[in-house]
Amino acid sequence: EVQLLESGGGLVQPGGSLRLSCAVSGFTFSTYAMSWVRQAPGKGLEWVSAVSGSGSNTYYADSVKGRFSISRDNSKNTLSLQMNSLRAEDTAVYYCAKVMPAAGSQNWGQGTLVIVSS
Amino acid sequence: QPVLTQSSSASASLGSSVKLTCTLSSGHSNNIIAWHQQQPGKAPRYLMKLEGSGSYNKGSGVPDRFSGSRSGADRYLTISNLQSEDEADYYCETWDTNTRVFGGGTKLTVL
Repeated sequence: EVQLLESGGGLVQPGGSLRLSCAVSGFTFSTYAMSWVRQAPGKGLEWVSAVSGSGSNTYYADSVKGRFSISRDNSKNTLSLQMNSLRAEDTAVYYCAKVMPAAGSQNWGQGTLVIVSS
Repeated sequence: QPVLTQSSSASASLGSSVKLTCTLSSGHSNNIIAWHQQQPGKAPRYLMKLEGSGSYNKGSGVPDRFSGSRSGADRYLTISNLQSEDEADYYCETWDTNTRVFGGGTKLTVL
């Protein structure tokens, strides 16, 4: 069974940093691209970032480019999102998702809540 | 990059059928999309991928009541024999080389 479990969310002040993690199991992690998707309170889904299976290719939404950094450790089956220079508008539930080639985000974690507030 | 447009809301009666629409922006009318369901307070759930040809492949455990189709740049999710648990937000997703995009979502109310 595919499982994705996010952690690392919490309350952080504007301008601060936070590192999210996603522990996965149930599939060959290194074979699949992974992504982070967020959902602000009462809003829709917003893609944030993605990384290829090897970790060599990374992609970012314009809204987080230069502030967020995605990475993965295939030896530990873990996906990470380093978030710097956080803003109030980054407040959201952050989901990690397994990306199927030409099929979309096929599995989702339960999410971790990030609140950026003073 | 592609843009996906969805109606903000839809409603239908228990036991009836409903067809939700996701429209691809110009130049992306042949894109594959994915449909996701998000029940209140829960994480999104993958429903299916829908090819530009109109063929679709559902995720594990998705009931037969869910199906997909297309017409031009429009991609449809049809839910038949509506159940109360189908009341949820529905999102479409697509992608290109460097980005992924979600539609704004449709909130489905089951009357």
